Amino acid sequence: EAQVTQNPRYLITVTGKKLTVTCSQNMNHEYMSWYRQDPGLGLRQIYYSMNVEVTDKGDVPEGYKVSRKEKRNFPLILESPSPNQTSLYFCASSSPGREVTGELFFGEGSRLTVL
Amino acid sequence: GEDVEQSLFLSVREGDSSVINCTYTDSSSTYLYWYKQEPGAGLQLLTYIFSNMDMKQDQRLTVLLNKKDKHLSLRIADTQTGDSAIYFCAETGGSASKIIFGSGTRLSIRP
Repeated sequence: EAQVTQNPRYLITVTGKKLTVTCSQNMNHEYMSWYRQDPGLGLRQIYYSMNVEVTDKGDVPEGYKVSRKEKRNFPLILESPSPNQTSLYFCASSSPGREVTGELFFGEGSRLTVL
Repeated sequence: GEDVEQSLFLSVREGDSSVINCTYTDSSSTYLYWYKQEPGAGLQLLTYIFSNMDMKQDQRLTVLLNKKDKHLSLRIADTQTGDSAIYFCAETGGSASKIIFGSGTRLSIRP
């Protein structure tokens, strides 16, 4: 089954404790991206990657890191989480060859709470 | 910069039509999308329209595009309880990396 898998789905942590949210896709997509969803603000892009070893900042990259060592994986790293990073995070992927250009496939989301 | 705006809430009676509206600012938009987010799940593409089209119909869904006013709407006919979700309007000039999302409209269905 084609899917984007995120882990963990839920996490409560404390300020300053490094954490990683993993994202993996099995569709051989070149493009992957991370978003955060906050009430009333919709989806805001954190980082994206056009292909392996190619990453770029989105609209709200501060406090986050990413890496793209393999095509299928795109982890999101919070080196020193702060309470303002409490949010619902989504990973998404896409392929330029899709009939509907720019159609994104989303993971189920990771709800992060930073105390 | 580019912006996409939608109202946050809409409540309709079961069986009625729902109309969710969206305005955008990017005049170079090539594709406009409606994504649906069901409770506890990620977003899924519901339908899309190319900027050179005025209307697209797909079963109970009708998308209308007024390019002059930069206004997009999604009409859901015979709204059912399964249509309860958050609906996101989105647009892009043609690249997945540049998709701009609205804030989402939460559609609730009353009996």
